[in-house]
Amino acid sequence: DSGVTQTPKHLITATGQRVTLRCSPRSGDLSVYWYQQSLDQGLQFLIQYYNGEERAKGNILERFSAQQFPDLHSELNLSSLELGDSALYFCASSGAGTAAYEQYFGPGTRLTVT
Amino acid sequence: QKEVEQDPGPLSVPEGAIVSLNCTYSNSAFQYFMWYRQYSRKGPELLMYTYSSGNKEDGRFTAQVDKSSKYISLFIRDSQPSDSATYLCAMRNSNYQLIWGAGTKLIIKP
Repeated sequence: DSGVTQTPKHLITATGQRVTLRCSPRSGDLSVYWYQQSLDQGLQFLIQYYNGEERAKGNILERFSAQQFPDLHSELNLSSLELGDSALYFCASSGAGTAAYEQYFGPGTRLTVT
Repeated sequence: QKEVEQDPGPLSVPEGAIVSLNCTYSNSAFQYFMWYRQYSRKGPELLMYTYSSGNKEDGRFTAQVDKSSKYISLFIRDSQPSDSATYLCAMRNSNYQLIWGAGTKLIIKP
């Protein structure tokens, strides 16, 4: 168990809908990262938050947004969903400084868009 | 061209064999080099990390970095069926971001 929790585990929704994925980082970790992993694809970095502020953006679509709250949990919002958004969405957390390379991943949320 | 190249495999070897997994990269500014293991439909977990060129050993696993060739390797000795997973390399750039390889699927046959 990495200490990172993600809810829900599975999500099935229809095209055009909006969903919210939730992540709680390990105790003491200030950074939260969101990744997308499609079937047989590598990890695609979406966005990073550090202590409530956006730190870095990757290949995140404009239909997607995220935020990190004062209690450090984070939410990833996906809107106007398309079939191609079906994927595993992982959240990871890390500490500060050089420990930032050591990311701890949650179990993921499997999103299916029908 | 991707910054980090990794053969997706699958790589299939018999139990007990020595496994060699590799990544090449193009950005000489990369510093920390990591290997993560991902079992099917699970979150990746950090196996090993190295900072400088050379070897680092942890049990049956050895990570090797050759900065002059921009090449990193992960060796697994006495491979077990439980080692069957996807192995992802990752590298930290000067902006403290991790750049990921595509992952190599490893299958250890009993």
